[in-house]
Amino acid sequence: KAGVTQTPRYLIKTRGQQVTLSCSPISGHRSVSWYQQTPGQGLQFLFEYFSETQRNKGNFPGRFSGRQFSNSRSEMNVSTLELGDSALYLCASSLVAGEKNIQYFGAGTRLSVL
Amino acid sequence: SQQGEEDPQALSIQEGENATMNCSYKTSINNLQWYRQNSGRGLVHLILIRSNEREKHSGRLRVTLDTSKKSSSLLITASRAADTASYFCATATYTGANSKLTFGKGITLSVRP
Repeated sequence: KAGVTQTPRYLIKTRGQQVTLSCSPISGHRSVSWYQQTPGQGLQFLFEYFSETQRNKGNFPGRFSGRQFSNSRSEMNVSTLELGDSALYLCASSLVAGEKNIQYFGAGTRLSVL
Repeated sequence: SQQGEEDPQALSIQEGENATMNCSYKTSINNLQWYRQNSGRGLVHLILIRSNEREKHSGRLRVTLDTSKKSSSLLITASRAADTASYFCATATYTGANSKLTFGKGITLSVRP
């Protein structure tokens, strides 16, 4: 079974631009979560989608948004990029939400904002 | 905000030695999980322990959970150079249909050959 696939692996953008990251979950997984990882803050939860609905949201500004499609693939978008948005963005999928919410992570998209 | 706080932040040991990493958390949880991350890659799930369990084993891994102290420890026995990675504890809480997994900042483990 293929793992979680994130594209692109690397991105370089400039301040003020917007970016869209893509995540394809493991086949059959309906839950997709997004995290931002930085050396200073560690792993910060962005949001979780399940069956095309956002179920949970972290404490990030409205510039960060996401969506999930009917095939469970997910995208996240960051508008008006700031230098502080430079980070590794990780997507994780899980079979179900609930007590056995084990997350399977992709390799991440490293975003650099110049 | 971080729920799990790992300790120590960094650990360096010789191959063959045991590595013990600790995690403390603040609020009630449903389960606690440990993940490993190799440099610049995604996280890999290692082990899950439920709130009503005290100890669990998986290969060279042993995890304990003390809910009265709100703490967990991960023991890696007979460490190998390949165990060099960052280790994260994650606490899981469930309210109704919503589940939330909160990660700590991680422990960097270096195993010297």
